Amino acid sequence: AQSVTQPDIHITVSEGASLELRCNYSYGATPYLFWYVQSPGQGLQLLLKYFSGDTLVQGIKGFEAEFKRSQSSFNLRKPSVHWSDAAEYFCAVGGSNTGKLIFGQGTTLQVKP
Amino acid sequence: EAQVTQNPRYLITVTGKKLTVTCSQNMNHEYMSWYRQDPGLGLRQIYYSMNVEVTDKGDVPEGYKVSRKEKRNFPLILESPSPNQTSLYFCASSHLTSGRVEQYFGPGTRLTVT
Repeated sequence: AQSVTQPDIHITVSEGASLELRCNYSYGATPYLFWYVQSPGQGLQLLLKYFSGDTLVQGIKGFEAEFKRSQSSFNLRKPSVHWSDAAEYFCAVGGSNTGKLIFGQGTTLQVKP
Repeated sequence: EAQVTQNPRYLITVTGKKLTVTCSQNMNHEYMSWYRQDPGLGLRQIYYSMNVEVTDKGDVPEGYKVSRKEKRNFPLILESPSPNQTSLYFCASSHLTSGRVEQYFGPGTRLTVT
């Protein structure tokens, strides 16, 4: 079955600390992988995507993610978190030419001053 | 500006009163989709469309209808809303060409059915 698991529902980090949000997926074909961010009261904004090639991808707002096929993971990282990063983060997986995305349940990030 | 628009942004209605939430995109995307977002459940797909006059059910289609008469528009119709359809709804669109399938989301419509 196709699925995405984000094991952490809530994460709290101190401002300036590093961040890693976990994402594991199950997908039968070559996956396309995405991270989206949803700020309170807002829609979803694409942070970064992986289609092929270099397994370390850079996104907006200083985020990066690493695709590890052997672990079926696509973890999101940021070296130094800012208070404005407090939001909900969604990992998603899809395939070529299908359009359909499967979303994880989301991880809510709280940033302590 | 490339965008997906939804209207209305907020809607409070009563059980059984038909409503339509509009969705429009200006990026010439083939694919459009509706999701609902509920706490602890993430985003669940309601219906999707891969092109004009081509629509199909997603994971939670019960109680919803859609149509795709034009490429840019993909309205969501609730013929007889019920309280369990109270939710936050998102429309999204994308190309279907390999390597361009990231979805762009509208701002959301918060629906309350009393």
